[in-house]
This record gives sequence, structure tokens and C-alpha cells, in this order.
Amino acid sequence: KAGVTQTPRYLIKTRGQQVTLSCSPISGHRSVSWYQQTPGQGLQFLFEYFSETQRNKGNFPGRFSGRQFSNSRSEMNVSTLELGDSALYLCASSLEPGRWTEAFFGQGTRLTVV
Amino acid sequence: DQQVKQNSPSLSVQEGRISILNCDYTNSMFDYFLWYKKYPAEGPTFLISISSIKDKNEDGRFTVFLNKSAKHLSLHIVPSQPGDSAVYFCAASATGGGADGLTFGKGTHLIIQP
Repeated sequence: KAGVTQTPRYLIKTRGQQVTLSCSPISGHRSVSWYQQTPGQGLQFLFEYFSETQRNKGNFPGRFSGRQFSNSRSEMNVSTLELGDSALYLCASSLEPGRWTEAFFGQGTRLTVV
Repeated sequence: DQQVKQNSPSLSVQEGRISILNCDYTNSMFDYFLWYKKYPAEGPTFLISISSIKDKNEDGRFTVFLNKSAKHLSLHIVPSQPGDSAVYFCAASATGGGADGLTFGKGTHLIIQP
């Protein structure tokens, strides 16, 4: 069974640009959540999607947005990139929201903003 | 403000000895706690969890203890093995493990010395 797939694995962008990251959950999983990992702040919750609807959102500015498609694949978008957005972005999938002990994380997308 | 704190960025333990990783939280609404393990270039993997109605949960070499009055939990690994070398994240949920995002600590890098 394939795991959670995040693409691309690495990305370099310039300040002011926008970026789209993709997450394909484990087959059958309908909940996808996104996290940002930085050395200073650790892992921070961005948002969670279930059945194409955003259920929860963390404390991030409106530049961070996401969506989920009918096949449960999810994308997150960051507009007007800032240097501080450089981070590892992780997504996790589970059958349903809140099934944390059964959630699986992808390897992440390493975003570098220069 | 950091609601989940792991005050030791790193911990070095000899192989075969006990590893104790600590985690403190400030939000009284947290009622479900999890530990994740993360190797470099991989996503976090779920290790063990505990509900606030318990004070101990054991799974093989891993035991998590919860002291609600002190808002403190700890992860014990006995005996420590070289493969345990990784970053360990403590996480908490305020909805009984339900559909809300997880709040993570910044992680503790455990190094098992041969």
C-alpha cells in the first residue's frame, strides 16, 4: 500500500512569488492535514481538510490557503512568499479527522525562499 | 506562546539504559497526548498515545506517563537501542483525540551512544 506522497520534495522560490504544494493521501484516507516545521517553532498546524471542506485552520496568515479535491488529494498554496516561509511542509492523512493514532505523514516538501 | 514545551533540545543516552523524554503543557483543555518519532528526511511516525483519563500507557519498550496536576508527561524507553536515535515530538489535542489540529512541541533529539 503506497504511503502519503508529497510533491515536490524540494523547492526554491524567490520572495514575493507564490508556491503550490501537493499531497496525495493513502488510498481510502479522506482527511488530510498540513503542518509547517521550522527550527524555531517546531511543528505547527496549518489546516485540515475532509471531504473537500476545510475543517480547521491554524494561526497562519491568509497567504496560506489550501484545498482538497474529490479524490482526497490536497494542495496548499502560499502567496507572496516571505523569507520566514522557508520550512519543511508536512501533510498527514487519516481515514477520518482526528484519527491521530492512525495518521500517516508524508516525507514533506522542503521549501526555501531566497 | 508555546502551549506544548519540550525543554531539552537534545538528550544523549547509553545503549541499554533508560531514555526519559519530557514534555510540559499549559493548556488545561488538552486531554489527549501523543508521541511521534522522526528520522531525518522522513515524516513523523506515531509512537504511543495517552488519554487524560489514564496516567500510564505501555507498549513494549515504550511507556508514557501523564501527570495532569503538573501538566507534565514523559516518554520512557527501556532499554534504549541504537535505532531509537531520532527526534521525538510530543503532541496534544484538546478534543479527546477528535477532529482538531495537533499542537506539537519543538522536539527532542535523542542520541543513543553505543
